Amino acid sequence: QKEVEQDPGPLSVPEGAIVSLNCTYSNSAFQYFMWYRQYSRKGPELLMYTYSSGNKEDGRFTAQVDKSSKYISLFIRDSQPSDSATYLCAMSRFIQGAQKLVFGQGTRLTINP
Amino acid sequence: DTGVSQDPRHKITKRGQNVTFRCDPISEHNRLYWYRQTLGQGPEFLTYFQNEAQLEKSRLLSDRFSAERPKGSFSTLEIQRTEQGDSAMYLCASSYGNLEAFFGQGTRLTVV
Repeated sequence: QKEVEQDPGPLSVPEGAIVSLNCTYSNSAFQYFMWYRQYSRKGPELLMYTYSSGNKEDGRFTAQVDKSSKYISLFIRDSQPSDSATYLCAMSRFIQGAQKLVFGQGTRLTINP
Repeated sequence: DTGVSQDPRHKITKRGQNVTFRCDPISEHNRLYWYRQTLGQGPEFLTYFQNEAQLEKSRLLSDRFSAERPKGSFSTLEIQRTEQGDSAMYLCASSYGNLEAFFGQGTRLTVV
């Protein structure tokens, strides 16, 4: 069983829709939770970073963490074609003082105009 | 551009050849990470440096792989005797302390 599970999609929605992306994890040692966006043939770009259960909002993006259920979500409101990308959840634990990121498989999202 | 820089962006090599990639982290970042990403998968951790010290290596990093970070600045990742299974995107990331890590654009390796 993978430490982080993410539905790979693909997910296709119309412009303006609310998008919900989800990940589950099995390791209680994870302390930080992140969402990255990755465009084709580019490196991952950090979108959201949180360490506690609850919601964190940044513009059209909301990250939600439920540590009791080992479940994290990313919501995108008023989705735009420019949001079309692969979204990666990532979780970290500390090894010898440094954050080691464990990624989900990534969900490929397409926003249709 | 003050982000993480990786060179080359794309490398095509014949099986059995050696390749070396370079990563220049964000200047004040003391931690540097290498990850590998294969098609349709998320990045997987390879190794980590704090300043010039290599403190952690994944079991994914076979004896054919070596990474260095002389003087705690740029880092190199060398793959000896490349195999087709080494074809992947090699990503470098850096962070300051325990703050969030920022990734470079990656080096895409194709072994033919």
